[in-house]
Amino acid sequence: GIQVEQSPPDLILQEGANSTLRCNFSDSVNNLQWFHQNPWGQLINLFYIPSGTKQNGRLSATTVATERYSLLYISSSQTTDSGVYFCAVESGGYSTLTFGKGTMLLVSP
Amino acid sequence: NAGVTQTPKFQVLKTGQSMTLQCAQDMNHNSMYWYRQDPGMGLRLIYYSASEGTTDKGEVPNGYNVSRLNKREFSLRLESAAPSQTSVYFCASSSNSPQETQYFGPGTRLLVL
Repeated sequence: GIQVEQSPPDLILQEGANSTLRCNFSDSVNNLQWFHQNPWGQLINLFYIPSGTKQNGRLSATTVATERYSLLYISSSQTTDSGVYFCAVESGGYSTLTFGKGTMLLVSP
Repeated sequence: NAGVTQTPKFQVLKTGQSMTLQCAQDMNHNSMYWYRQDPGMGLRLIYYSASEGTTDKGEVPNGYNVSRLNKREFSLRLESAAPSQTSVYFCASSSNSPQETQYFGPGTRLLVL
């Protein structure tokens, strides 16, 4: 099956700093999503982005499908950005998502 | 809309006991999913149901059974719990429309002793 690798595994930032999270995948994808899991465990979808660039406030994402990677940018980070960020992909004829292992982000005041 | 709800929130079992995790969604979604999350492993798909009346195995189905009771409800059963099934279990749902995301429930924390 498709492999999804996220980097870095852990990231510690001071409030106000910017960061870039990366997701590499091993095959072409029909669907790529970024999720945020807050410290209480709730998973929230951030972006549906199989290709191109999207922005939502301080967050933006870019997927370069031909090179099999996606980037999530967080600007002016806040403590509420802390948590785990997951990349998940759907490939081939399957309608299911394969998740990466996540990037754990801690933003300190 | 409550979205996706799961019961119970927490459960402690002894090895060999059985239990059913319940999941319901009120978004009229066709597809429903069960995942488990273990430390450092991300989310792994256990079973899914693309429509009422159908179920399919995911990446880690061994030791589990599922029932798509109706369009709203999708349950996960552990017939004989094992310590290796200690995990956080998430239910999710989605429509079958293109560009549709999955919506997740709050999770069930299960400890098997």
